[in-house]
Amino acid sequence: EAQVTQNPRYLITVTGKKLTVTCSQNMNHEYMSWYRQDPGLGLRQIYYSMNVEVTDKGDVPEGYKVSRKEKRNFPLILESPSPNQTSLYFCASSFLAGGTDTQYFGPGTRLTVL
Amino acid sequence: GENVEQHPSTLSVQEGDSAVIKCTYSDSASNYFPWYKQELGKRPQLIIDIRSNVGEKKDQRIAVTLNKTAKHFSLHITETQPEDSAVYFCAASKGGKLIFGQGTELSVKP
Repeated sequence: EAQVTQNPRYLITVTGKKLTVTCSQNMNHEYMSWYRQDPGLGLRQIYYSMNVEVTDKGDVPEGYKVSRKEKRNFPLILESPSPNQTSLYFCASSFLAGGTDTQYFGPGTRLTVL
Repeated sequence: GENVEQHPSTLSVQEGDSAVIKCTYSDSASNYFPWYKQELGKRPQLIIDIRSNVGEKKDQRIAVTLNKTAKHFSLHITETQPEDSAVYFCAASKGGKLIFGQGTELSVKP
């Protein structure tokens, strides 16, 4: 089944404890992206990648890192999480490198930072 | 950078009526404008999109119009049904970067 998967789906952690949220797609998509969703603010792009080893900042990259070592994986790293990073996170992928076609979203990861 | 404003934030219509959601963007170089629907507790899903070289696109009960000069685009849903109730997001894209509007919560009353 063609899909985007994220792990974990739920995570409660404490301030400063490094964490990684994994994202994987099995559709051979060129483009991958991370978003956070907060009430009243909609979806905000954190980072995106148009190809392996190519990543760029989105609208809200501060406090996050990403890597794209393989085409199918695009992990999101929080080196030192803070409470303002408590949010719902979505990974997405699309076929075209520019992301200018259907983006398929993962199921979301709900992160709470205490 | 790009900024996308979406209105209204909430919209309530009677079943069978039409619904219109409007978005404006700031960067004239944006060239791709998707609309996503997000049902409660679910992930966003694309419902329709339009590119900057097209003025209008229709898919059954859903249509999108784009006015590049005025830098605004709109989503039109006709003959609304209760299953259309959801949050709708517009977005504008340039060079891989995607900026979303704040969302419109549409409620269709039977």
